[in-house]
Amino acid sequence: RKEVEQDPGPFNVPEGATVAFNCTYSNSASQSFFWYRQDCRKEPKLLMSVYSSGNEDGRFTAQLNRASQYISLLIRDSKLSDSATYLCVVTHTSGTYKYIFGTGTRLKVLA
Amino acid sequence: DAGVIQSPRHEVTEMGQEVTLRCKPISGHNSLFWYRQTMMRGLELLIYFNNNVPIDDSGMPEDRFSAKMPNASFSTLKIQPSEPRDSAVYFCASSSLGAGDTQYFGPGTRLTVL
Repeated sequence: RKEVEQDPGPFNVPEGATVAFNCTYSNSASQSFFWYRQDCRKEPKLLMSVYSSGNEDGRFTAQLNRASQYISLLIRDSKLSDSATYLCVVTHTSGTYKYIFGTGTRLKVLA
Repeated sequence: DAGVIQSPRHEVTEMGQEVTLRCKPISGHNSLFWYRQTMMRGLELLIYFNNNVPIDDSGMPEDRFSAKMPNASFSTLKIQPSEPRDSAVYFCASSSLGAGDTQYFGPGTRLTVL
């Protein structure tokens, strides 16, 4: 079992729709959580950190559920420009600090 | 401000040749990471440095891969000899405080080994 798992998708949604992705992690000692966005043939870029209390940035909301060991990303009012792959990242210390990427969830927003 | 700089952006080489990938981290960042990304395996951490010292190289696939960071502004990832299965996009990333902080990625080097 992978340490960080995501549904690869693709999620095909119409413009204006609300879409949510989950990411599960296996290490209960995980410490920090992030969502990155990667456009086709580009590098990953930080979208937002995920805080225990949940956090929002415009149309994007991230939440953490430590009991069930998953993080989520909600995108409201989807835009064509939201089409990308969304990577979750989980960190923990096991000897050395680990920064572990999920394989990503691909989103396509359709006109 | 300049971001992470990688060179070359594209590399096509033949099996058995030596390949050297280069990275200049963001000035002031003290951690540097090398990743490999393929469709099958996603983004894999190969090695990371903190203050120019290799901290975790458990992701380096085998002895054909080596990485160095001679100073705070430069790192190399070398593959010798290269094999077709090394074909991938190689990203370098840097961060300012440690491995748990936001990482800023370079544009990547797309390597094709024929």
